[in-house]
Amino acid sequence: SQQGEEDPQALSIQEGENATMNCSYKTSINNLQWYRQNSGRGLVHLILIRSNEREKHSGRLRVTLDTSKKSSSLLITASRAADTASYFCATDKRIFGTGTRLKVLA
Amino acid sequence: DGGITQSPKYLFRKEGQNVTLSCEQNLNHDAMYWYRQDPGQGLRLIYYSQIVNDFQKGDIAEGYSVSREKKESFPLTVTSAQKNPTAFYLCASSIDFLDSGVVGDEQFFGPGTRLTVL
Repeated sequence: SQQGEEDPQALSIQEGENATMNCSYKTSINNLQWYRQNSGRGLVHLILIRSNEREKHSGRLRVTLDTSKKSSSLLITASRAADTASYFCATDKRIFGTGTRLKVLA
Repeated sequence: DGGITQSPKYLFRKEGQNVTLSCEQNLNHDAMYWYRQDPGQGLRLIYYSQIVNDFQKGDIAEGYSVSREKKESFPLTVTSAQKNPTAFYLCASSIDFLDSGVVGDEQFFGPGTRLTVL
């Protein structure tokens, strides 16, 4: 299987704290994407980072990419209860990681 | 509204029966995908289609079949050969199969179908 992995598998934080999730992948990529999934729903695209970029921001989201280590991280700053969801990374080959389940406590 | 729809939302099947899950998109996307998601797990690719009348096996195609007779439709049949079909099934579409990194080239997902075998 080419499936990547996110860690941690589960993360529980207080509202206002920052949440960091990591993703590792196995193949070379042109870009990597992060998605969010609310329980029992489809996935929603959050952000895309190209292989020649090291960092990208979108609102409270910050994504980094290290192609030498085949890894990426997603940082959510000033988390809110509404950020509670599962977060997945995906390569441009449409291969998804196993996800991080984030719970933000009010 | 442009988007991707799946039906039904919940589906129950008796052992030995084939069932077909519907996926329709009006985004004019060439590529469509089917994923399976088990509880607490990531997505695994079942089949994908890069263009009408063409489709390819993903990582876990055994026990599944698909067709792509129309650009907007990509139905998935779960056959009796699939040993453990109870799962959440997600359909997705994108402009192209291989993401070029162009803004707007992400995958769009349907709301999913939860299949339970009784």
